[in-house]
Amino acid sequence: GAVVSQHPSWVICKSGTSVKIECRSLDFQATTMFWYRQFPKQSLMLMATSNEGSKATYEQGVEKDKFLINHASLTLSTLTVTSAHPEDSSFYICSAEGQGGVGCFGQGTRLTVV
Amino acid sequence: KQEVTQIPAALSVPEGENLVLNCSFTDSAIYNLQWFRQDPGKGLTSLLLIQSSQREQTSGRLNASLDKSSGRSTLYIAASQPGDSATYLCAVLGAQKLVFGQGTRLTINP
Repeated sequence: GAVVSQHPSWVICKSGTSVKIECRSLDFQATTMFWYRQFPKQSLMLMATSNEGSKATYEQGVEKDKFLINHASLTLSTLTVTSAHPEDSSFYICSAEGQGGVGCFGQGTRLTVV
Repeated sequence: KQEVTQIPAALSVPEGENLVLNCSFTDSAIYNLQWFRQDPGKGLTSLLLIQSSQREQTSGRLNASLDKSSGRSTLYIAASQPGDSATYLCAVLGAQKLVFGQGTRLTINP
């Protein structure tokens, strides 16, 4: 079946640094990738939708200059949290969707900013 | 390793019927369980979130229950409407990651 690999699974970084999270579709071409985040005890929230080769569409309230999304190929999307602060600590998860299918999800990345 | 299973994989019912979607998980050590809806080509929409200490949550025509000890959750949809047609996913949050079921593709026929 379709597999999406997300890396790293967890990361701890210092405040002010940037963190890059990768999302790869291993055995299919992902025309669309979604990025979500989940704060403790809250539901998963969609951050942005990216289509290969075009700019990501961000949900309301998500800062596009802070959360940089690149979807340069049909198998890879990256989310870079720039100048991370403790309030960015969260669980980030991607999903990738190919032609006509339900999205397959990565394992998630737990980001802790200290 | 946590495994989440949703039954049935697909369901088609006439408009107006009440229905139940099932979700089971193998590891009861969870923080919460969530039910999502996904429309074709769209991201996930969160429907209900049940903390591990809770037994059910309700939102409008939706009611979700959680029996952590038996590793089961149900999503009850009352008075179904064509607009309810979508894929419904449940997901459990463990210590390290969110594990999703494969979803139930629901079709409500007018």
